[in-house]
Amino acid sequence: DSGVTQTPKHLITATGQRVTLRCSPRSGDLSVYWYQQSLDQGLQFLIQYYNGEERAKGNILERFSAQQFPDLHSELNLSSLELGDSALYFCASSPAGGLSYNEQFFGPGTRLTVL
Amino acid sequence: GNSVTQMEGPVTLSEEAFLTINCTYTATGYPSLFWYVQYPGEGLQLLLKATKADDKGSNKGFEATYRKETTSFHLEKGSVQVSDSAVYFCALSTSGTYKYIFGTGTRLKVLA
Repeated sequence: DSGVTQTPKHLITATGQRVTLRCSPRSGDLSVYWYQQSLDQGLQFLIQYYNGEERAKGNILERFSAQQFPDLHSELNLSSLELGDSALYFCASSPAGGLSYNEQFFGPGTRLTVL
Repeated sequence: GNSVTQMEGPVTLSEEAFLTINCTYTATGYPSLFWYVQYPGEGLQLLLKATKADDKGSNKGFEATYRKETTSFHLEKGSVQVSDSAVYFCALSTSGTYKYIFGTGTRLKVLA
């Protein structure tokens, strides 16, 4: 168990809908990262937050957005869903310093299926 | 831009065979390098890492050496077990954001 939790575990929805994925980082970790894992694109970095502020953006679509709240949990919002958005979405967290400063601890993922 | 190239899978081995999964990278600066493992239905777990040239990461019998001259970080294990069956990802991160760039993953299947 990495200490990172993600909810829900599975999500099935229809095209055009909007969903919210939730992530709680390990206690004390300030950074949260979101990744998308799909068969055709592999593991792609989406976005990073550090202590509530957006830190880096990757291949995140404009239909997607994220935020990190004062208690450090993060939410990834996916809107106007398309079939191609079906994927496994991972959240990871990392500490601000110490020996593990560049390590990321991954949650179990949320499997999104868009029908 | 930065990138990671991994050998294509799947790799199928018999128990106790020697494992090598190749990983090469392209990066500016001095990246940190990682191997993560993903068991079926689970998230990614850090297997080992190396943060500078000639560092050797090791864990659970797996090893990888950071080779700057060949920009490689190949994963090796002397004797694989059925329980090692999983998907293995090579990744790099650079200072600043420390976001990961992953390779495509290599599926390993070990037969008893």
